[in-house]
Amino acid sequence: DAGITQSPRYKITETGRQVTLMCHQTWSHSYMFWYRQDLGHGLRLIYYSAAADITDKGEVPDGYVVSRSKTENFPLTLESATRSQTSVYFCASSESDRGLYEQYFGPGTRLTVT
Amino acid sequence: AQSVSQHNHHVILSEAASLELGCNYSYGGTVNLFWYVQYPGQHLQLLLKYFSGDPLVKGIKGFEAEFIKSKFSFNLRKPSVQWSDTAEYFCALKEGGNTGKLIFGQGTTLQVKP
Repeated sequence: DAGITQSPRYKITETGRQVTLMCHQTWSHSYMFWYRQDLGHGLRLIYYSAAADITDKGEVPDGYVVSRSKTENFPLTLESATRSQTSVYFCASSESDRGLYEQYFGPGTRLTVT
Repeated sequence: AQSVSQHNHHVILSEAASLELGCNYSYGGTVNLFWYVQYPGQHLQLLLKYFSGDPLVKGIKGFEAEFIKSKFSFNLRKPSVQWSDTAEYFCALKEGGNTGKLIFGQGTTLQVKP
């Protein structure tokens, strides 16, 4: 049972480049989320999705794009990376069955923008 | 607006000491509450959750939390901490409605000295 995976685990890119972070879950959970974690800011929600083809902005969506054509995948794209997007990115998924919304987190992607 | 507040930002304890981390929330509706733990360099993992029923919730690794509705609190406790409990701890509240979103506190860093 793979659960939720993210790739790449580490990425170094240059300012201005486009980069896509991948997230894949094997549970067929309806909900998926992207967070960034920065020292002093805790976890901040970037985008989330309630189902395939349904996405919505979170707290800090600027500079990011998401898509969800399949239930199991939720890629996050930085259209033109900036140094301020250097962070650790976590993907999570959850299911609303029985009213349970506990989120399961992936291992994270550490992104450095130079 | 819903919010979660963790008053202790950094806690330092010696092994075998008792632990209590504070979590207060702001929400007038039915609450679903969670505690997550993030060990150094790892992703968030669910420690325990409260949905209804017994306000004293037991989780993994000897942790428990008590939901006190009158105080809007959901404090995390452990009678005797170990060095391996060194981690960051996040309290979270499910957002009202069906967004699936969790509202996270800022986190508390626990350092256990051997």
